[in-house]
Amino acid sequence: KQEVTQIPAALSVPEGENLVLNCSFTDSAIYNLQWFRQDPGKGLTSLLLIQSSQREQTSGRLNASLDKSSGRSTLYIAASQPGDSATYLCAVMTTDSWGKLQFGAGTQVVVTP
Amino acid sequence: EAQVTQNPRYLITVTGKKLTVTCSQNMNHEYMSWYRQDPGLGLRQIYYSMNVEVTDKGDVPEGYKVSRKEKRNFPLILESPSPNQTSLYFCASSLGGSAYTFGSGTRLTVV
Repeated sequence: KQEVTQIPAALSVPEGENLVLNCSFTDSAIYNLQWFRQDPGKGLTSLLLIQSSQREQTSGRLNASLDKSSGRSTLYIAASQPGDSATYLCAVMTTDSWGKLQFGAGTQVVVTP
Repeated sequence: EAQVTQNPRYLITVTGKKLTVTCSQNMNHEYMSWYRQDPGLGLRQIYYSMNVEVTDKGDVPEGYKVSRKEKRNFPLILESPSPNQTSLYFCASSLGGSAYTFGSGTRLTVV
């Protein structure tokens, strides 16, 4: 069974620092991996989707890498801002459970002014 | 605007009183799914549907029903709600394994 782990569980950085969020998964037979942002009591906003054939995806200040062989993905957020404060979730879709997202527990990020 | 719409956003109900949470998407996505989010347990899939009239159980289907009579709609039905179904519920949709779009969530309290 696929297990998804996110470390650290919480992170606090001063504004302007780069953020590095980690996601690891146990089954490398994945279809894709997706990063989401969730604000308190709100829905999930999709940030980046990486297909299994890709190594990375970029959108503005966000960059996500994928290393299937080691079962890891990293989300980088450059020059963090207080508005980046949220919980970040990674979710994996495995090839034997097409369509189903297996979520990590999330990393709660606080960016202080 | 492309979106997944859930209603209601908040609901307080009593044990045993049947309720339906609606979900609608305007993106012509074939895949739709329901998740619940609980502190310490994260997001878990309840049911999913790969197309009209095709539904299947996720990880925590007990106590829930779904139907998919039209492509755009995927309601979640609680025939006899119990307090352990108090949770934050999300509907989501996607097109062929592409990026998922989630609704804003329904916070359900069963007393």
